[in-house]
Amino acid sequence: TQLLEQSPQFLSIQEGENLTVYCNSSSVFSSLQWYRQEPGEGPVLLVTVVTGGEVKKLKRLTFQFGDARKDSSLHITAAQPGDTGLYLCAGAPQAAGNKLTFGGGTRVLVKP
Amino acid sequence: EAGVAQSPRYKIIEKRQSVAFWCNPISGHATLYWYQQILGQGPKLLIQFQNNGVVDDSQLPKDRFSAERLKGVDSTLKIQPAKLEDSAVYLCASRTEIYGYTFGSGTRLTVV
Repeated sequence: TQLLEQSPQFLSIQEGENLTVYCNSSSVFSSLQWYRQEPGEGPVLLVTVVTGGEVKKLKRLTFQFGDARKDSSLHITAAQPGDTGLYLCAGAPQAAGNKLTFGGGTRVLVKP
Repeated sequence: EAGVAQSPRYKIIEKRQSVAFWCNPISGHATLYWYQQILGQGPKLLIQFQNNGVVDDSQLPKDRFSAERLKGVDSTLKIQPAKLEDSAVYLCASRTEIYGYTFGSGTRLTVV
C-alpha cells in the first residue's frame, strides 16, 4: 500500500477538455508537491501547497490542498498536447522529516 | 544555477554484472537523494545523504546496493550483482530549504 494514492493511473483526453488528478492519503502532510515528468527526464516541480484549504493557480493548472492536509487535486483547464506527461504528487509526512514520498503517478495523454 | 548532473544516461548490463551511477548535485546543496523509478511507477527513495553522512537508507537493498558521498559533494550508487528487477531509472536529487528539490535527468538501467 502506497502512502500517497493517485487516481486515475491513466487519462487520455482530447485537446480542449478539462481533467482532474487526485492524490489521497490517510496521513497528514505539512506540504504536498506536484511534479510533471516527461520521458527521459527527471520530475520538475510545478507547485508546493502548504496550508490546508489552499488553492494555487499556475496558468491553466489549479492545485488544491485538502482542509485536513491529507489530499490534493490538480485540475487542468482546456488541456493542450503540451500538457502530456506523468503527473506525480509527493510529500513528506509530518513524522518523516524531509523524506519525500511519491505517489504512483498519473499518466496524462492529451490528443490533438 | 546549474542543474543536477547524472551519468551515464543509459546503461545495459547482463544480470549478475556490476554497475555504478554518478551524481553531481547543485553546488552548495547539502542534502542528496537517490531514487529508483520502475517503469509506470512513482520514484521510490533508496537513500538520503546530509553532507557526507547517511540520514536514511532503510529502503536500500543493502545486500546488493551501496552508495557513498565521501566528500559531501558528488555521489555514486552501485549495484553488485544486478538482477533483472533492478531495471529502472535511477534519479538523483538535491535539496535546499529555499529551492526545494531539484532532480537530475536520471540513468536508465536495463538488466538483461
